[in-house]
Amino acid sequence: EVQLVESGGGLVQPGASLKLSCVASGFTFSDYWMSWVRQTPGKTMEWIGDIKYDGSYTNYAPSLKNRFTISRDNAKSTLYLQMSNVRSEDTATYYCTRRLPGSDYWGQGVMVTVSS
Amino acid sequence: DVVLTQTPVSLSVTLGDQASISCRSSQSLEYSDGYTYLEWYLQKPGQSPQLLIYGVSNRFSGVPDRFIGSGSGTDFTLKISRVEPEDLGVYYCFQATHDPYTFGAGTKLELK
Repeated sequence: EVQLVESGGGLVQPGASLKLSCVASGFTFSDYWMSWVRQTPGKTMEWIGDIKYDGSYTNYAPSLKNRFTISRDNAKSTLYLQMSNVRSEDTATYYCTRRLPGSDYWGQGVMVTVSS
Repeated sequence: DVVLTQTPVSLSVTLGDQASISCRSSQSLEYSDGYTYLEWYLQKPGQSPQLLIYGVSNRFSGVPDRFIGSGSGTDFTLKISRVEPEDLGVYYCFQATHDPYTFGAGTKLELK
């Protein structure tokens, strides 16, 4: 059974850094592109970025590129999202997804709240 | 950025009715390889989004055939024939043709 499990969220102060993880199981992680998507409290969906199956290429939403970094460790079947200099508008639920095309599997999401 | 405009914002239906959701793009979503990277997702209450349709009209594995995606260029439609209780939730269209990839604002399908 394919599973994606995010972790690392929580309450964080503005300007801080945070690293989210997504542990994959039930499939050969190194065969798939992966992505991060977030959903604001108002339910707006935003694509954050993708990473190629071998980690050699990443693609980001320009508005986030300077602060967010996507990486992966195929040996650990884990996807990461490094967030830096977080702002209140980064408050959202963050999802990792497997890309085919089509995001055919999603994690349960992890909440990040940016507040002082 | 490509703007996806979904209409209606909300849709009230009776079980067994047909529902239709439109997704209009500010640019053609046909990629240079001829493929159109237009997808539809359903987010049920309290759940993560789930893939329904990819490539405009291809149903993902396990998606009932009452879900039909169609369209081309800038105009796309998701039709749900014979709405069932498990179809209720928020539907999003998504494009992965142009960077940055973008979502529509969503259409809430609810019972009348």
